[in-house]
Amino acid sequence: GEDVEQSLFLSVREGDSSVINCTYTDSSSTYLYWYKQEPGAGLQLLTYIFSNMDMKQDQRLTVLLNKKDKHLSLRIADTQTGDSAIYFCAESGPRVDSNYQLIWGAGTKLIIKP
Amino acid sequence: DSGVTQTPKHLITATGQRVTLRCSPRSGDLSVYWYQQSLDQGLQFLIHYYNGEERAKGNILERFSAQQFPDLHSELNLSSLELGDSALYFCASSVDPQGEAFFGQGTRLTVV
Repeated sequence: GEDVEQSLFLSVREGDSSVINCTYTDSSSTYLYWYKQEPGAGLQLLTYIFSNMDMKQDQRLTVLLNKKDKHLSLRIADTQTGDSAIYFCAESGPRVDSNYQLIWGAGTKLIIKP
Repeated sequence: DSGVTQTPKHLITATGQRVTLRCSPRSGDLSVYWYQQSLDQGLQFLIHYYNGEERAKGNILERFSAQQFPDLHSELNLSSLELGDSALYFCASSVDPQGEAFFGQGTRLTVV
């Protein structure tokens, strides 16, 4: 079945770049998403990329998509303490009754070291 | 603030009981999704409603049910609760099934 995989933890120094990686299996995915979950909060959509794009940049965030390898990454430049959160990768999964479900990774906890 | 409201924020109940979680989607959003987030299972899709009709089911137990009302708010009913049902339950809404989903703050359910 469809699967999305991420590393569970990533530790970076404040000011460095963070790169969170994700692999997926469904080659028919239309959209790929990055969501952020801060402690005690709900999930917030950070950014998404359409499957026919290679890259998308939005301020400190850069999303890279390698469709051939089914690999998605999120780069956060100049990582700040406020970036501490769990980052979820998700793909729009198989079409079921004309609707898309999101298939979620387990989330990567980003830990910022001073 | 995502515009999606979930109540209650916290719920503590005993095994065997039944609870109802409520979700008010963003104004104009027709799609409502329910997710369960637990430490061991991660984020699991439960069910999706679109304009009052069930559209997709995920890993939802038979003890759980949901519905979406004419005013588009949704309720998730959890019955015969077990300790393992303790989790964060999220509701999300979107304009249409392919649209960006906005999440509520979640209801933390603790079964004791």
